[in-house]
Amino acid sequence: GAVVSQHPSWVICKSGTSVKIECRSLDFQATTMFWYRQFPKQSLMLMATSNEGSKATYEQGVEKDKFLINHASLTLSTLTVTSAHPEDSSFYICSASDLADSYNEQFFGPGTRLTVL
Amino acid sequence: RKEVEQDPGPFNVPEGATVAFNCTYSNSASQSFFWYRQDCRKEPKLLMSVYSSGNEDGRFTAQLNRASQYISLLIRDSKLSDSATYLCVVKGRRAGGSYIPTFGRGTSLIVHP
Repeated sequence: GAVVSQHPSWVICKSGTSVKIECRSLDFQATTMFWYRQFPKQSLMLMATSNEGSKATYEQGVEKDKFLINHASLTLSTLTVTSAHPEDSSFYICSASDLADSYNEQFFGPGTRLTVL
Repeated sequence: RKEVEQDPGPFNVPEGATVAFNCTYSNSASQSFFWYRQDCRKEPKLLMSVYSSGNEDGRFTAQLNRASQYISLLIRDSKLSDSATYLCVVKGRRAGGSYIPTFGRGTSLIVHP
């Protein structure tokens, strides 16, 4: 199957700093990527849909100024958590698929575990 | 009501048992359905898509009931390696044409010797 990578796989930072997470589709072009957040024992919560060459679509309750998304190419989307606080500590996962077909599989990155001290 | 609901479990079953999970969804316009498996601290991986006619893949059988708005997953002859969280995923089309997936919170399965 297709491969999606994420970098870094884990990060520990001080409160108030910004953290950038990269999501890359390695062997296919992804017109759309999704960013999720998952707290322990909770479901994946969709944060935003990232579309190449246009603005991201954020889910209700997700602050677009805090979670900056850039999808500059068909193989790379970045999520920047600005001025991170301890409550932002979570598992962040991206996924990518070709949305032309609703049955196309979503391929997930391995996730990034963020801990904010 | 949540868009996609699952019993979180855990379902604790012996090896060899048959176990079934259900998932209900609220949006009658939902168009595609999936079961994903997520191991602890790992990303989800596709287990199988769910088609209207039902589909089977080895020990796994998935069913869709559009009238009652639920999907099911049946696992026969459970193995220890089946222990994981099973996520129900429902996709619906949004304005603009994208298919947006919604995840259930997952059902935890523990298979013991």
